[in-house]
Amino acid sequence: QTVVTQEPSFSVSPGGTVTLTCALSSGSVSTSHNPSWYQQTPGQAPRTLIYSTNTRSSGVPDRFSGSILGSKGALTITGAQADDESDYYCVLYMGSGLWVFGGGTKLTVL
Amino acid sequence: QLQLQESGPGLVKPSETLSLTCTVSGGSISSYIYYWGWIRQPPGKGLEWIGSIYYSGSTYYNPSLKSRVTISVDTSKNQFSLKLSSVTAADTAVYYCARHTPYSGSFSWGQGTLVTVSS
Repeated sequence: QTVVTQEPSFSVSPGGTVTLTCALSSGSVSTSHNPSWYQQTPGQAPRTLIYSTNTRSSGVPDRFSGSILGSKGALTITGAQADDESDYYCVLYMGSGLWVFGGGTKLTVL
Repeated sequence: QLQLQESGPGLVKPSETLSLTCTVSGGSISSYIYYWGWIRQPPGKGLEWIGSIYYSGSTYYNPSLKSRVTISVDTSKNQFSLKLSSVTAADTAVYYCARHTPYSGSFSWGQGTLVTVSS
């Protein structure tokens, strides 16, 4: 069974830069997995930030960026703001129409 | 503007079948570009992809749920539906419907609906 792993929690100072990652239990994440990233605040539906590794969804500020770092998918937030404090989820496309979400990262801005 | 709205019972008894419908407005479910999916989130936990359907009826299911899941589409009503059989308390979750492109991960989400499994 495929498991996608994210850091359970992360902390960043206001104005700082943070990189969240998305790893596969077996093998490396590549662009063929189309890593995508979602932001979720309590009680709200997820919001798509990044799809297809590095494409920002409409209306998403350019301080959010996606990439492949080594063997992992990555979401980088540059110049973190207080309202970036949220849960962040990645998803990977595993082929044959199948998707697997990561467990999520709770980001604290303080 | 695309809108997706989940509807269905908020309370289901153990061993019964959970049934939800997603009504799509502001876009056609018969679009050849998009797939239509269901994702759930147990209280306080992460997201889990349940499965997706193409307007033609082709379906793709999470292997861990495949034996209990059926997703169907009704193009005449611009709706798609989820059925999850033999539910237990572990199936208690917010269920989201979503539109997505086949490979890109660009999901457009409904607001979600909480389904509780309890007697």
